[in-house]
Amino acid sequence: DSGVTQTPKHLITATGQRVTLRCSPRSGDLSVYWYQQSLDQGLQFLIQYYNGEERAKGNILERFSAQQFPDLHSELNLSSLELGDSALYFCASSVIPGPNEKLFFGSGTQLSVL
Amino acid sequence: DQQVKQNSPSLSVQEGRISILNCDYTNSMFDYFLWYKKYPAEGPTFLISISSIKDKNEDGRFTVFLNKSAKHLSLHIVPSQPGDSAVYFCAASSQTGANNLFFGTGTRLTVIP
Repeated sequence: DSGVTQTPKHLITATGQRVTLRCSPRSGDLSVYWYQQSLDQGLQFLIQYYNGEERAKGNILERFSAQQFPDLHSELNLSSLELGDSALYFCASSVIPGPNEKLFFGSGTQLSVL
Repeated sequence: DQQVKQNSPSLSVQEGRISILNCDYTNSMFDYFLWYKKYPAEGPTFLISISSIKDKNEDGRFTVFLNKSAKHLSLHIVPSQPGDSAVYFCAASSQTGANNLFFGTGTRLTVIP
């Protein structure tokens, strides 16, 4: 158990809908990262937060947004969903941000857009 | 554009033998490399890392080799055990870049008892 909690584990929805994925980082970790893993793809970095502030942005679509709350949990909002958004979404956390920081991953949310 | 590549989607090895997983990268600014292991229905877990100032790092049965001139790294597992069966992701980062990791597409290792 990495200590990172993601909910829900599975989500099935329809095109055009909006969903929210939730992540609770390990106790004491201030930095949260979101990654997307599509079929046969590596983990694609979406966005990073540190202590409530956006720290880095990767290949995140404009239809997607995220935030980190004062209690350090984070939410990833996906809107106007398309079939291609079906993927496994991982949240990870680390104590501090940094390229050499070991990341602790949650078990992911499997999103299926039908 | 995939900056970190794992060209072998899968690898099968007999128990007790050596497993060698390969990874190539294109960005010469990468200076820190990691391997993560992922079991089904779980998130990736950190396995081993190496800084670009080294060419080898060893941790028990796991050794990572880095060849900077070839932009290539490899993970050796000796001896391989059935519990090592998992998907292995190679990742890279840059001290001067954004604070994020670039991951490869993974190699599924199967260790046959």
